[in-house]
Amino acid sequence: GENVEQHPSTLSVQEGDSAVIKCTYSDSASNYFPWYKQELGKGPQLIIDIRSNVGEKKDQRIAVTLNKTAKHFSLHITETQPEDSAVYFCAASSRDDKIIFGKGTRLHILP
Amino acid sequence: DSGVTQTPKHLITATGQRVTLRCSPRSGDLSVYWYQQSLDQGLQFLIQYYNGEERAKGNILERFSAQQFPDLHSELNLSSLELGDSALYFCASSVAGSGEGETQYFGPGTRLLVL
Repeated sequence: GENVEQHPSTLSVQEGDSAVIKCTYSDSASNYFPWYKQELGKGPQLIIDIRSNVGEKKDQRIAVTLNKTAKHFSLHITETQPEDSAVYFCAASSRDDKIIFGKGTRLHILP
Repeated sequence: DSGVTQTPKHLITATGQRVTLRCSPRSGDLSVYWYQQSLDQGLQFLIQYYNGEERAKGNILERFSAQQFPDLHSELNLSSLELGDSALYFCASSVAGSGEGETQYFGPGTRLLVL
């Protein structure tokens, strides 16, 4: 089945700098890749997603890139702000209609 | 607010006991998913229901069961509880549950503590 690897597990960046989180997946049939943000005490919230027919998608300070050949996708956050501090999960759809999540990246924005 | 509701928010119980967690999906969503999130662990998929029928199963223990009712709300039953069952349990919902390109919306979770 699908396996999603995410790194780093923890990331600290200075406020205003960019943050990049990378994920790889194993199932070449996967075609949907959402990213979720989980704040303390809350459920994961979708922040951006990308489908396999697109290489890049941007929404204000957040962008996601997808390389289907290499089976990896990345989340880019520019001009980071304190409210970006959270745990971020990447995910990929699996052949049997499940969404498989990475183990998460804890992002700290340093003042 | 995702539109998915879960009750209770917190639950404290003892080993060997049985609990029921409840989830109401977003209005119009037919599919419900249950996930377990332990400390330092990602989201582990447990089970999915679509319009009252079980659609997919993940790493769900035999001590755990779920169902989806005609009004589309779902319940996750955890029995013979062990200390290791302490975790956050999330419910998510989606429109049709195809998994391919369908966004899942998560509820706020139920924090279960087994003492």
